Amino acid sequence: AQSVSQHNHHVILSEAASLELGCNYSYGGTVNLFWYVQYPGQHLQLLLKYFSGDPLVKGIKGFEAEFIKSKFSFNLRKPSVQWSDTAEYFCAVIPISGGYNKLIFGAGTRLAVHP
Amino acid sequence: DGGITQSPKYLFRKEGQNVTLSCEQNLNHDAMYWYRQDPGQGLRLIYYSQIVNDFQKGDIAEGYSVSREKKESFPLTVTSAQKNPTAFYLCASSIRTDEQYFGPGTRLTVT
Repeated sequence: AQSVSQHNHHVILSEAASLELGCNYSYGGTVNLFWYVQYPGQHLQLLLKYFSGDPLVKGIKGFEAEFIKSKFSFNLRKPSVQWSDTAEYFCAVIPISGGYNKLIFGAGTRLAVHP
Repeated sequence: DGGITQSPKYLFRKEGQNVTLSCEQNLNHDAMYWYRQDPGQGLRLIYYSQIVNDFQKGDIAEGYSVSREKKESFPLTVTSAQKNPTAFYLCASSIRTDEQYFGPGTRLTVT
């Protein structure tokens, strides 16, 4: 079955530290890739997405992600985190097939940034 | 203001009662979705609808039912057959395989 794995369930960082959240998926074909973020008490919202083209994608709030097809990975990065980045982050994948294309979520990573 | 609204924000029910969660969107999206979010499990798809008057089961449809009589509305009923209904429920909509837009969610507690 198709699945998405997020390697870290909880991450704790100090402000200004660099962030990398891992995401791997299991599907050999074409995929659309997403990172969503859920700030405390807020809607789930899109950070960035990748459909095709340059595998290094820039999103909102200084986040970026790199699609490495050979590794089935779409890791999220930020060079210097802020306290306001405290949130839960979800990687999601749409495997593109002939029929209905379902969005599959990872289990999420809770990030806590300490001042 | 375009978006997705879900009501109510918090809902409490006694075991054995059916309860309906509302989801409305004014984004003119054809596709709508219901997810359940539990701690450490991400979002799991309950039902989805790609067009009015049509809907399909997702991964965890047992104990739930939906209807899609209007493009902008996709209510979810949590029936008494759902064994573990206490959860956070999220509604979303999209244009096919593009990003999904999420509502604020309804936290259902069944005692």
